[in-house]
Amino acid sequence: QSALTQPASVSGSPGQSLTISCTGTSSDVGSYNLVSWYQHHPGKAPKLMIYEGNKRPSGVSNRFSGSKSGNTASLTISGLQAEDEADYYCCSYAGSNTFYVFGTGTKVTVL
Amino acid sequence: EMQLVESGGGLVQAGGSLRLSCAASGFPFYNYWMHWVRQDPGKGLVWVSRINPDGSKTNYADSVKGRFTISRDNAKNTLYLQMNSLRAEDTAVYYCTRDINEGFDPWGQGTLVTVSS
Repeated sequence: QSALTQPASVSGSPGQSLTISCTGTSSDVGSYNLVSWYQHHPGKAPKLMIYEGNKRPSGVSNRFSGSKSGNTASLTISGLQAEDEADYYCCSYAGSNTFYVFGTGTKVTVL
Repeated sequence: EMQLVESGGGLVQAGGSLRLSCAASGFPFYNYWMHWVRQDPGKGLVWVSRINPDGSKTNYADSVKGRFTISRDNAKNTLYLQMNSLRAEDTAVYYCTRDINEGFDPWGQGTLVTVSS
């Protein structure tokens, strides 16, 4: 099972919005509304930002939102802030053979 | 506060074994599926294994099937990963995490496993 495809890097200025794509297949992203997104500052524990495609855990800013169209999921960060600079990973449930597949990761830079 | 603390990582020769532990606190550990996820050096996250709340069901990534064993002790609020026949490609930071509706939260800080060839 190949990793889900994410852009290697995206950047934006403070206050802007940016979107990270996560492209899978009809066996994972396209088949289940079970995409989650994680923020990872190197050396720290990853943090859940979105689950079940578009749900935010308690305590996560509403500047983060998730969506899906076909085999591609997306994470949008609005009102970009300096502390949003981190690596972001998507993950999808992929059925009872593969179980879970992560994305390749995207480095977000705040200019 | 929910917390997961991994331990047991270290340097091991190829073919050797290690057992990782993950101590959970701040939530009813016995109610949740638990997972191990690893991050290869300079690379992305990879799902490794999961176990159901009572320990009766386990699943593994193909890359570790037959070599790794996940288990748990609900009386001790502890998750384990027994890793045998270790290979250089198993070198990674290993994280334990809780399943929340097929999302993972929280995560521990991770424990580094280095396999020398």
